[in-house]
Amino acid sequence: GAVVSQHPSRVICKSGTSVKIECRSLDFQATTMFWYRQFPKQSLMLMATSNEGSKATYEQGVEKDKFLINHASLTLSTLTVTSAHPEDSSFYICSARGGLSGSSAHYNEQFFGPGTRLTVL
Amino acid sequence: GDSVTQMEGPVTLSEEACLTINCTYTATGYPSLFWYVQYPGEGLQLLLKATKADDKGSNKGFEATYRKETTSFHLEKGSVQVSDSAVYFCALSAGLGNTPLVFGKGTRLSVIA
Repeated sequence: GAVVSQHPSRVICKSGTSVKIECRSLDFQATTMFWYRQFPKQSLMLMATSNEGSKATYEQGVEKDKFLINHASLTLSTLTVTSAHPEDSSFYICSARGGLSGSSAHYNEQFFGPGTRLTVL
Repeated sequence: GDSVTQMEGPVTLSEEACLTINCTYTATGYPSLFWYVQYPGEGLQLLLKATKADDKGSNKGFEATYRKETTSFHLEKGSVQVSDSAVYFCALSAGLGNTPLVFGKGTRLSVIA
């Protein structure tokens, strides 16, 4: 399958700072990327859907000014947690979906990154 | 809206035991169905999938059959190993493009030697 990377894999930061998480599709073009949040021993909660070149669509209850998403190219989306607080500590996972312009093998498949564990002190 | 219901865990089995994790879904149209596995501290990996009724997905000894009549996609394995210990998520995708996956709550499996 296709590869999606996330960077960093772990980050520890002080309360009040901003943290940027990158999600890259390494060998295919991702027209759509999704950002999820996972609390310990729970399922994935969809935060937002982003399409290259347009504004992200946020799920109800997710603060768009708090979680800034940029999808600047077909291979990169970033999630910035602004003014992070301890309650933002979580496991953040991105996924990327192949589009029509990519390999037919990846079309409409959704591939997940390895996740980023954020700890806010 | 679309939803996925899977059996709650945790499930604890001895090595070489049989595994079944139930999954049922509610969706309009004809969704694709997936099982994902999450090993400790890692992201999700696609385990298997089925895109239409009566399809059987299989991988690493796991299999699941898309049953439209019962709206189910139960995950089965005849003989589990310690290395199968993980959280398993059932999911569906009801459309193309922007439609995200809808996940079940996950079932934690622990296999003991």
